Amino acid sequence: AQSVTQLDSQVPVFEEAPVELRCNYSSSVSVYLFWYVQYPNQGLQLLLKYLSGSTLVKGINGFEAEFNKSQTSFHLRKPSVHISDTAEYFCAVSNTGGFKTIFGAGTRLFVKA
Amino acid sequence: DTGVSQNPRHKITKRGQNVTFRCDPISEHNRLYWYRQTLGQGPEFLTYFQNEAQLEKSRLLSDRFSAERPKGSFSTLEIQRTEQGDSAMYLCASGGQGEYNEQFFGPGTRLTVL
Repeated sequence: AQSVTQLDSQVPVFEEAPVELRCNYSSSVSVYLFWYVQYPNQGLQLLLKYLSGSTLVKGINGFEAEFNKSQTSFHLRKPSVHISDTAEYFCAVSNTGGFKTIFGAGTRLFVKA
Repeated sequence: DTGVSQNPRHKITKRGQNVTFRCDPISEHNRLYWYRQTLGQGPEFLTYFQNEAQLEKSRLLSDRFSAERPKGSFSTLEIQRTEQGDSAMYLCASGGQGEYNEQFFGPGTRLTVL
């Protein structure tokens, strides 16, 4: 069975500061990893994905994430956040041989002026 | 392509009533998923369709829940004899033929059971 743990339920940060949202996963098989963002009253939108290859993946809106197999982590980072980045962020894992995706509980990023 | 659409966006019902939600996926997508999301939680998998075939249904889903995708296009999710615990956001997502499981989500249907 797979699981995802997002270590912080809320992350407050000032505008233009860097941010890291932490995600750890558990799986006995190879996985695909995803970060999704959910703005208020909107559906989830894919930020970035790790499928294979380079462990550093870049996504939309200046976000990037690094896959660390030994630590089973997939932390999301942005060097300088904007007010508009305030949203809920979800880490998700899917095994490469199947279709089922497991989501973490989410991290609420709150960017303050 | 207008993305994944869901109707209605909001539904308020009384306990014991039946409700039905509709999802229209991106037209060329053959994979369709239903999730439930409660406050402060991530989406929880409910069921998955490949074309018109329902390939998996979560064990967390009671017999009151049923989903269909009769022609491999739109899908419906029905909840019979609703309970207050069914109150949640119901999300639909679709995906294409790609080898990974990227999913495109609709805006969701928020169900409130009084």
